Amino acid sequence: DADVTQTPRNRITKTGKRIMLECSQTKGHDRMYWYRQDPGLGLQLIYYSFDVKDINKGEISDGYSVSRQAQAKFSLSLESAIPNQTALYFCATSAGQGLPGELFFGEGSRLTVL
Amino acid sequence: AQKITQTQPGMFVQEKEAVTLDCTYDTSDPSYGLFWYKQPSSGEMIFLIYQGSYDQQNATEGRYSLNFQKARKSANLVISASQLGDSAMYFCAMREGGTGGFKTIFGAGTRLFVKA
Repeated sequence: DADVTQTPRNRITKTGKRIMLECSQTKGHDRMYWYRQDPGLGLQLIYYSFDVKDINKGEISDGYSVSRQAQAKFSLSLESAIPNQTALYFCATSAGQGLPGELFFGEGSRLTVL
Repeated sequence: AQKITQTQPGMFVQEKEAVTLDCTYDTSDPSYGLFWYKQPSSGEMIFLIYQGSYDQQNATEGRYSLNFQKARKSANLVISASQLGDSAMYFCAMREGGTGGFKTIFGAGTRLFVKA
């Protein structure tokens, strides 16, 4: 089984619908992240959390919210999805407080908003 | 301001030859880390190599090496003896220290095509 698991892997939804992407990890890492990937833009940070009580906005948090339900679980919500939120979403984790802190990624969730 | 710049949207290399993927970065934090990740067509993100800002030696991992030029703020990835399986997107990333909140930001990526 993957160390970082994302569900669903693929989702098609309609404009205005609420959608939740879930992420769970077995790596025991405190730090979790949500990124969005659009062609030509690399990965952009949406939200990150350094522990259950710590949530931080990233570069593109507007239109998104998150919940850190436990050390191992970090969910991303789109309250009212719009077509330009169509993208590939990655959850990632990292260990420790300092460097290196390489990211361990889930397999990605492809979201299409019609 | 963009902090990670990858100026090569696409690169071609002949199989068995070496290729350099460019990355420049911008930070005022003295403590930072630089990473390269590979994304094959299957979509997963794979960590390749890391260079710390205080590391004296360039990082190497098998066929991957990082050409770190601190004064120029560049961290180019060198892949030696390219293989067909190296065809993928490659992302340069930076993790700043305390002032940057230890979050990682990415460049736009370079798509590498390895020709047989």
